[in-house]
Amino acid sequence: QKEVEQNSGPLSVPEGAIASLNCTYSDRGSQSFFWYRQYSGKSPELIMFIYSNGDKEDGRFTAQLNKASQYVSLLIRDSQPSDSATYLCAVNNQAGTALIFGKGTTLSVSS
Amino acid sequence: DAGITQSPRHKVTETGTPVTLRCHQTENHRYMYWYRQDPGHGLRLIHYSYGVKDTDKGEVSDGYSVSRSKTEDFLLTLESATSSQTSVYFCAISERGDQPQHFGDGTRLSIL
Repeated sequence: QKEVEQNSGPLSVPEGAIASLNCTYSDRGSQSFFWYRQYSGKSPELIMFIYSNGDKEDGRFTAQLNKASQYVSLLIRDSQPSDSATYLCAVNNQAGTALIFGKGTTLSVSS
Repeated sequence: DAGITQSPRHKVTETGTPVTLRCHQTENHRYMYWYRQDPGHGLRLIHYSYGVKDTDKGEVSDGYSVSRSKTEDFLLTLESATSSQTSVYFCAISERGDQPQHFGDGTRLSIL
């Protein structure tokens, strides 16, 4: 069974700081990588996806991918209390038919 | 928001009864998925569909069956519900299996 690993947290950062969320995956054949945000009691919401090595920026969010190290990360700049949520990392399976999700990292941003 | 509707949103039922959850999409996406989410386990794939009448098992398929007779509808059935199937169930859709999935609002199912 291919795996996606995330630290469960909680990761606590003060308002305005950079939050760094990390994810490792076991399947070297994975090509697509996703970050979802899930507020308590709500459904997962896609916030970033990345397919190539390097960085991809979207507003305050930056996704970083290193396929050689099998590592993907999400940086949140100028963290806000509204960013407090669980962040799920997902990676496509080898067949390209489904995603494998990590268990998520809980982020808490204090004001 | 992606046009995904799950029904019912909440259900309480008794052990041994059959239960069917429905996922309806208006996006004409080829792929549809059913997940369950439990504390400590994250999102786990139950079954998925890659087209009308084309389905496959996921990680936790035992005790569940699915059907997809139309592109827009994907049904999840618990033939004889057990307390271990108490969970939050999410439906998701995507255009391709390696592309982003978009989730419905979920169904909270309690089996007493």
